[in-house]
Amino acid sequence: DAGVTQSPTHLIKTRGQQVTLRCSPKSGHDTVSWYQQALGQGPQFIFQYYEEEERQRGNFPDRFSGHQFPNYSSELNVNALLLGDSALYLCASSADRAFATPLHFGNGTRLTVT
Amino acid sequence: KNEVEQSPQNLTAQEGEFITINCSYSVGISALHWLQQHPGGGIVSLFMLSSGKKKHGRLIATINIQEKHSSLHITASHPRDSAVYICAVSGGANSKLTFGKGITLSVRP
Repeated sequence: DAGVTQSPTHLIKTRGQQVTLRCSPKSGHDTVSWYQQALGQGPQFIFQYYEEEERQRGNFPDRFSGHQFPNYSSELNVNALLLGDSALYLCASSADRAFATPLHFGNGTRLTVT
Repeated sequence: KNEVEQSPQNLTAQEGEFITINCSYSVGISALHWLQQHPGGGIVSLFMLSSGKKKHGRLIATINIQEKHSSLHITASHPRDSAVYICAVSGGANSKLTFGKGITLSVRP
């Protein structure tokens, strides 16, 4: 049973570019959430997707957008990249929207913006 | 003030010691998660609590809803327990997940 998978594992982009990160949830999970983790900090909640719609959103600008597909996989898109967007981006899947069941995380995508 | 505070900030222990990591939160919650993150980034869910106490192997997690406080205990600590331990809380449906900054634990052999 495959857990949560994320791709790519590492990515280097230039300021102003756009990036798309991908996440496949654990089998049986229909809810996907995305997090940004700066070096030395705890993760910050970006948004949550359920039934192909954004359900909850953290304090992130509109440059951060996402999508969920009918197979529950998800994408995170970041436009007009800034140096401050350099971080580890984590995806987690769960079986409910209220975070009241154990979360399963992917290994993350390390994004470096130069 | 952060909604989720963890203490101590960093912790060094000798192998075999009993370790306690604390988490305090300032909002009403429906669930609290203890997570473990090893170098390289991957996060593993250790416990999800809404009340009481849970035990898994050498790990014990407790929560006091009235005091808005949770503790993670590690008995007979081992160098492989060295990791960052993160507490995260959820207010339930239609709420986001809020994380503490994490505690870096180093267990020396």
